[in-house]
Amino acid sequence: DIQMTQSPSSLSASVGDRVTITCRASQSISSYLNWYQQKPGKAPKLLIYAASSLQSGVPSRFSGSGSGTDFTLTISSLQPEDFATYYCQQSYSTPSFGPGTKVDIK
Amino acid sequence: EVQLVESGGGLVKPGGSLRLSCAASGFTFSNAWMSWVRQAPGKGLEWVGRIKSKTDGGTTDYAAPVKGRFTISRDDSKNTLYLQMNSLKTEDTAVYYCTTEYDSSDERYFDLWGRGTLVTVSS
Repeated sequence: DIQMTQSPSSLSASVGDRVTITCRASQSISSYLNWYQQKPGKAPKLLIYAASSLQSGVPSRFSGSGSGTDFTLTISSLQPEDFATYYCQQSYSTPSFGPGTKVDIK
Repeated sequence: EVQLVESGGGLVKPGGSLRLSCAASGFTFSNAWMSWVRQAPGKGLEWVGRIKSKTDGGTTDYAAPVKGRFTISRDDSKNTLYLQMNSLKTEDTAVYYCTTEYDSSDERYFDLWGRGTLVTVSS
């Protein structure tokens, strides 16, 4: 099974900050990497698929990059509605998620 | 409206059984791969299993912790996905989400999610 790790596990940031979250796979997963946002009490929401493709309706301040084993999610200018937990997920083999990164208000 | 609505959650004793349902609307359910993903209280997301469309064989895959205890099925005439859970353990306590799984040659992701249904396994 492919293991996913994320760093940091949590971060505090201010509105307008640039935020970067890192995801690493235990083996190469090509570009089969997706990012989700989850707010408390809500279902996850797809943000980025195939490492760098923006899901329809998702603001352009979100971007993804990487391939192989190392990936990043970047929020170029953090907005109040972006405070949430972010999960990466590999779809190269049996799906697995990273442990999540909680972004809260500084 | 495109949506998934789960139902059937509740309180069950260890060793018991429960069947969850997920009603789909607004899209061609029969063409969709469907998955269940769960989230234990205060924890992260865990994939439970999937069922492919009948066009793609209708086969199922399961995560190791539930294999042999959980069964995923679908009724395309009712646009409904099911999760039969047997021999439940306390560690199965979670919110269970159903989700569509988009699959193409170089992309695969969970795009549409239900709101989830809570399953609590406790004596």
